[in-house]
Amino acid sequence: QAQLVQSGAEVKKPGASVKVSCKASGYTFSNYHVHWVRQAPGQGLEWMGIITPSNGVTSYAQKFKGRVSMTRDTSTRTVYMELSSLRSDDTAIYFCAREIGEIGSGVCCSFDYWGQGTLVTVSS
Amino acid sequence: QTVVTQEPSFSVSPGETVTLTCGLTSGSVSTTFYPSWYQQTPGQVPRTLIYSTNIRSSGVPDRFSGSILGSKAALTITGAQSEDESDYYCLLYMGSGIYVFGPGTKVTVL
Repeated sequence: QAQLVQSGAEVKKPGASVKVSCKASGYTFSNYHVHWVRQAPGQGLEWMGIITPSNGVTSYAQKFKGRVSMTRDTSTRTVYMELSSLRSDDTAIYFCAREIGEIGSGVCCSFDYWGQGTLVTVSS
Repeated sequence: QTVVTQEPSFSVSPGETVTLTCGLTSGSVSTTFYPSWYQQTPGQVPRTLIYSTNIRSSGVPDRFSGSILGSKAALTITGAQSEDESDYYCLLYMGSGIYVFGPGTKVTVL
């Protein structure tokens, strides 16, 4: 059974950076893309970006380009999302999610397993 | 810039059928957007209902179905139940590795 376990809640000051981790287990780490999605309090879901764990290739939503970096460590089966120059409106729950099909399977573009979410609070 | 659209809210009586849609401010949604649908209740992790337009995710009741209706993706709940009261989000693949969620539809069952 696949599982994604995220790091704990963070409180950051405006202008700082935050790095959230997402540790994968129960499946072949390199074979599935991982997405990051966030949700501000009382707001909808927002797609942030995607990383291919096998080679580290990323794609980011235009809104976050220049501020977000998604990386991976294959030795620990962990993906990371770092967001810099934090503002109060970055306060949100950040989720990682595994893409639904193996890379190259032809099944794509949705998620089957989600992390539990990480609350990031940006406040002075 | 093209924006994804969803109805803000729907109210449905138990046992009734409701169809939620997911469109674009410019152009039509087709299967090449791989529309998917997510259910979320407050404080919970989203749950994947439908992917690739009409494939139900594992464990999803068959009262949930997906389709393309005209120029939009659609999620139909046939015989709504009280536990279906949730927020529903669509997600579209825009190409070049980019995805966009719709703003969500709040479904009330009463």
